[in-house]
Amino acid sequence: AQTVTQSQPEMSVQEAETVTLSCTYDTSESDYYLFWYKQPPSRQMILVIRQEAYKQQNATENRFSVNFQKAAKSFSLKISDSQLGDAAMYFCAFQGAQKLVFGQGTRLTINP
Amino acid sequence: DTAVSQTPKYLVTQMGNDKSIKCEQNLGHDTMYWYKQDSKKFLKIMFSYNNKELIINETVPNRFSPKSPDKAHLNLHINSLELGDSAVYFCASTPGDRLNTEAFFGQGTRLTVV
Repeated sequence: AQTVTQSQPEMSVQEAETVTLSCTYDTSESDYYLFWYKQPPSRQMILVIRQEAYKQQNATENRFSVNFQKAAKSFSLKISDSQLGDAAMYFCAFQGAQKLVFGQGTRLTINP
Repeated sequence: DTAVSQTPKYLVTQMGNDKSIKCEQNLGHDTMYWYKQDSKKFLKIMFSYNNKELIINETVPNRFSPKSPDKAHLNLHINSLELGDSAVYFCASTPGDRLNTEAFFGQGTRLTVV
């Protein structure tokens, strides 16, 4: 069974600084994707970034980038130049064959 | 047009009642899910359907019964509601065969059992 673990229930960062959210996963599948989703207080689930397991190159989307370590089954999210609008719950997710599993979430607070 | 829509958005009901939450997606996706998000914000998968067939049932009490009349709809019926059923329930869909496509979520249904 696939499991996704986010070991940081809460994180905080000063505005304009950089923060890294951790995620590890466990699977026996070889073909899968990893995602980070953001959930602001509105409850809407918003895709932040995705990573293909067969690609070694780390995905980047503007201020958001990942550090994907396949052998270690680690998939951390780095947010650079943090902005007040980045404050939200962040969920790491594993997409395998017909199953999408989420981590426990990390609440990110941005301090002005 | 809303890609994944759930109704109702809010539901307040008494213990012991039976209620349903409806979900519809207009994306042509094959796979649909129900998730429960508790007060600690943990998103726990409940059910997964692929082309109207049940794929995943994650040890959910049998008071919860999903129904998929067609691949665009996945409804959730809950019998004999309990206080612990209070949560936000999310419906989501994915293409099923393309893993690189993100899931699309409904806006959630906040269920409060009193």
